[in-house]
This record gives sequence, structure tokens and C-alpha cells, in this order.
Amino acid sequence: EVQLVESGGGLVQPGGSLRLSCAASGFTFSSYWMHWVRQAPGKGLVWVSRINSDGSSTSYADSVKGRFTISRDNAKNTLYLQMNSLRAEDTAVYYCARGPYGDYVSYWGQGTLVTVSS
Amino acid sequence: SYVLTQPPSVSVAPGKTARITCGGNNIGSKSVHWYQQKPGQAPVLVIYYDSDRPSGIPERFSGSNSGNTATLTISRVEAGDEADYYCQVWDSSSDPVVFGGGTKLTVL
Repeated sequence: EVQLVESGGGLVQPGGSLRLSCAASGFTFSSYWMHWVRQAPGKGLVWVSRINSDGSSTSYADSVKGRFTISRDNAKNTLYLQMNSLRAEDTAVYYCARGPYGDYVSYWGQGTLVTVSS
Repeated sequence: SYVLTQPPSVSVAPGKTARITCGGNNIGSKSVHWYQQKPGQAPVLVIYYDSDRPSGIPERFSGSNSGNTATLTISRVEAGDEADYYCQVWDSSSDPVVFGGGTKLTVL
């Protein structure tokens, strides 16, 4: 069974940093593209970032480019999202999601809430 | 960047057919994917590549895509289908993965 478990969310002040992790199991992690998608409270889904299967290629939404960094450790079956210079508008549930490729998502984690507030 | 337009809400009686549209410029030339999200839960993929169904998704769910509109069709609607539905495409613009704004399906 595919499982994606996010962690690392919480309350952070504007301008602060946070690193999200996503532990994957139930599939060959190193064979799949991975994504981060977020959802502000009461709002719709917004794609954040993606990374290819070996970590050599990444893409970001314009809204987070230069502030967020996606990475992966295939030996640990773990996906990361380093978030710097956080803003109030980054407040959302962040979902870890599995490809197969970079064009859509086939499985989603349960999400972790990030709140940016003073 | 590419924009996908969905109606905010659709209502349907149980047993009837619901159609949720997703509009975009020449969307028929792109592959469209659909997700279902029930309150308090993570999204679930229900249709990929316009009309393919993942394993475990009922045959009542189907998709089509042509011209400027893609459509998710849910036949014989059940109370358990009540959820938010999002369309999504891949685009070669600055934000490559684009979601529509979502449609709330209400079963009357």
C-alpha cells in the first residue's frame, strides 16, 4: 500500500524557515517523480514544486521560486521541502504527492499544516 | 500562466448524472486529470489522461476533453460523491502543473 507521511509543519513567524519531510513507503520511491501541493484554509489546490526521480531536475511555482527548495533522499525514501523567507500567504496545508511523472499526481499524503503568523 | 475555469458549484439529485466542466484555451490539446476531495481528507485521483480511471474508481466516473472544455461526468450519483472536484493540466508555461479553482458537488 502506498503511504506518504508528511511532517515538519507548525507555526513560524514571517521571515522564518521550516523544513517539511515526507516519508514514503509501499512503492519504489526512486522510480517516481514527487510533488508538493498546498491548500490554504478554505481554498483550492495550488501546485508548489516537483522533482524528478533521481533528483536532477526541479521546478517551482513562481510564487515560491527563490524561497523554497525541493530535494529528495532516495536512500531514505524521503522527500523534503525547505521553505525560507516565509510569508503569511504561505499558510496552508502542504501535501506530499507522488507522480508517476511530472504531469500529474497519483497518490497524496494527508498533509501537514504550516501557519505563518506573528 | 495557463488558466483553468470551473463552476464553483454543481447540484444534482441522487441517481442522476452530474457534469463538471473545466474550461481552458484549447484544453483539448492537453491531457486533463481530475481529483476528488472530501471534507477533511486528502485529494484522490479519479480520472487521468482525460478519460482513464485508476483502479478502485467506479465506472460511474468518466471524462472527456475537446475544444475549450473538459468534462467530468458522474453517473448515478450517490450521496458519497459529494465533494470538491479539481481539474488539472500540465502546461509548458512558468507554472507547469495547473489546477482549476475547484467545483463543489452537492447531492440534493
